Amino acid sequence: EVQLVESGGGLVQPGRSLRLSCAASGFTFDDYAMHWVRQAPGKGLEWVSGISWNSGSIGYADSVKGRFTISRDNAKNSLYLQMNSLRAEDTALYYCAKDTRLGGMGLYYFDYWGQGTLVTVSS
Amino acid sequence: EIVLTQSPATLSLSPGERATLSCRASQSVSSYLAWYQQKPGQAPRLLIYDASNRATGIPARFSGSGSGTDFTLTISSLEPEDFAVYYCQQRSNWPHSITFGQGTRLEIK
Repeated sequence: EVQLVESGGGLVQPGRSLRLSCAASGFTFDDYAMHWVRQAPGKGLEWVSGISWNSGSIGYADSVKGRFTISRDNAKNSLYLQMNSLRAEDTALYYCAKDTRLGGMGLYYFDYWGQGTLVTVSS
Repeated sequence: EIVLTQSPATLSLSPGERATLSCRASQSVSSYLAWYQQKPGQAPRLLIYDASNRATGIPARFSGSGSGTDFTLTISSLEPEDFAVYYCQQRSNWPHSITFGQGTRLEIK
């Protein structure tokens, strides 16, 4: 059974940093791209960032480019999101999601999702 | 950035009726489009990928069609569990980019 468990969320002041983690199990982690998707309270879905299986392809939403960094550790079956210079508008539930495509360098769709970790940016 | 516009924002129907949801892209996305269902307090669920392929375990009453800029999700006969919010999503290369539509809320009439 595929499991994605996010951690690292919490309350943080504007301008500060936070690092999210996602522990994956139940599939061959280093075969798939992985993503972070967020959802502000009562709002729609927003893709934040994605990384290919070998970290060779990385993409970011314009809203986080230059502030957030995605990474992965295939030996630990883990995905990370380093979030710097946080803003109030980054407040959201952050989901870790598995890509649908096996291998390759593209970023496609999301077939498994975690339950999310809540990030609140407020003074 | 490719913008996806979903319509209508809210759709009110009764169980047993047919639902037709639309997603329009600001430029061609070929067939690189997916649909998701999200219920309150739950993570989204993938329904359709590559415009018309049902994901694993998705009932046959869900179908997707379209290519280029205009896409449709059809639910042939609504079941009570189908009332939820639906999102479309596109992906593109160079630069790697993914965007979602703003969602359509399917509510019980």
